[in-house]
Amino acid sequence: AQSVTQLGSHVSVSEGALVLLRCNYSSSVPPYLFWYVQYPNQGLQLLLKYTSAATLVKGINGFEAEFKKSETSFHLTKPSAHMSDAAEYFCAVSGTGNQFYFGTGTSLTVIP
Amino acid sequence: EAGVAQSPRYKIIEKRQSVAFWCNPISGHATLYWYQQILGQGPKLLIQFQNNGVVDDSQLPKDRFSAERLKGVDSTLKIQPAKLEDSAVYLCASSPTRLAGVNEQFFGPGTRLTVL
Repeated sequence: AQSVTQLGSHVSVSEGALVLLRCNYSSSVPPYLFWYVQYPNQGLQLLLKYTSAATLVKGINGFEAEFKKSETSFHLTKPSAHMSDAAEYFCAVSGTGNQFYFGTGTSLTVIP
Repeated sequence: EAGVAQSPRYKIIEKRQSVAFWCNPISGHATLYWYQQILGQGPKLLIQFQNNGVVDDSQLPKDRFSAERLKGVDSTLKIQPAKLEDSAVYLCASSPTRLAGVNEQFFGPGTRLTVL
């Protein structure tokens, strides 16, 4: 079975500060991991994905995530927050069958 | 490339009424998903189609929810009768079929359902 836990339902950072959104996964098979972003009244947009190649994954809009098997983590980071980064972020895990299991989401607020 | 289309974008109904949502996936995508996203929660898979066959509907409340994808392209999700707890955003997603691995899913804008 697969599941993810996102620590922190709300995160606030100042503009220009480091963004760190946490995701821990549980999987009985080698996982595929994804981060999605959701802006108000929109669907989910893929930020990046881990598919067992490089452990450091770079995505769109300057985001990246590092897969750490020993910690069962896949935290999302961005060196410098921008006002446009304010959104809801979801971590998801998939095993076989292409079924995704999403976390409960983290709402990111960027303070000017 | 056109994205996943959904309609309507918003729907308000009274409990015990019926409602239907429509989804048109990205052209050529064999796999289609319906998710329910309750406010403050992550999306929860309701049903997954591969072409016009059901792959997984284990979390679909079959006493009131039904879905079909008759020609393996667009799909409809129906709720009859609706309950207050069905108020949520219903997301449709599609993904291509590749030879191996897990494929990212592409999401539509969703339909926001309010049941009064």
